[in-house]
Amino acid sequence: DAKTTQPPSMDCAEGRAANLPCNHSTISGNEYVYWYRQIHSQGPQYIIHGLKNNETNEMASLIITEDRKSSTLILPHATLRDTAVYYCIVRVGGGTSYGKLTFGQGTILTVHP
Amino acid sequence: GAVVSQHPSWVICKSGTSVKIECRSLDFQATTMFWYRQFPKQSLMLMATSNEGSKATYEQGVEKDKFLINHASLTLSTLTVTSAHPEDSSFYICSARDLIGTGSGEQYFGPGTRLTVT
Repeated sequence: DAKTTQPPSMDCAEGRAANLPCNHSTISGNEYVYWYRQIHSQGPQYIIHGLKNNETNEMASLIITEDRKSSTLILPHATLRDTAVYYCIVRVGGGTSYGKLTFGQGTILTVHP
Repeated sequence: GAVVSQHPSWVICKSGTSVKIECRSLDFQATTMFWYRQFPKQSLMLMATSNEGSKATYEQGVEKDKFLINHASLTLSTLTVTSAHPEDSSFYICSARDLIGTGSGEQYFGPGTRLTVT
C-alpha cells in the first residue's frame, strides 16, 4: 500500500473548519484514501473514504486532488471533541477487497476553545 | 450500527500467566477480524489477520505461539497472550470488516483492551 505523509500536529479554533492535509504521491489507481481518527485511549473511528471523487458525510468532507497525489479532510465546524489523532491511510479496495490498514503516525489535531 | 466490543476493557495479570481478550461484532457478521497493538505514544501496529474458520495470518515479527488467535464464529475472535511478560503490556485493539451488511468492506474498531503485566 502507498505511504502517506501527514503533518505531525495542527491546531484549530473551536467552531472553525479544520483542514487536515495528506500526501500520497505514490498512490495506485486501485487504492482508496481512508481517514480514521483515534481519541485518546479509544479504538480508531472510521470517518470517510474515497477513490477520486470528493466525498461528504455527516462527519466530514474529503477532497482529493485530480492527480490523486494528495487529499484534505475537512471538519467543517470543529468542536473540542474533535481533538484526536487523525490517520490518513491508502489501501486497495473499497468493497470486498482484502487490503489491510497500515497506520502511520497521523496528525494530532488540537481544537482550542 | 457496526459496533465492535472488546472484553475486558482492562486487565492486570502476573508475569508468566495467560490472558484472553475477546472481540465481538455486535450487529454485523465479520468474516475477517484484525488484531492491533499500540504502545504509548505510538501508532497502531497490525499483529494478525483472523479469518473465520481458518488459521490467522501473523505479521512479520509477531510470535504466533505467544499470541494465539481463534476466530470460531462470524461474530467472535479471541486473542490469548500466553506466558505474558511486562513487555507485553500494551493497548490491544481489534477491528472487524463488514462484508455482508453494507458491503463497503469498512473496518470497525473495538474500544481496546489495556493489558498490564506485573
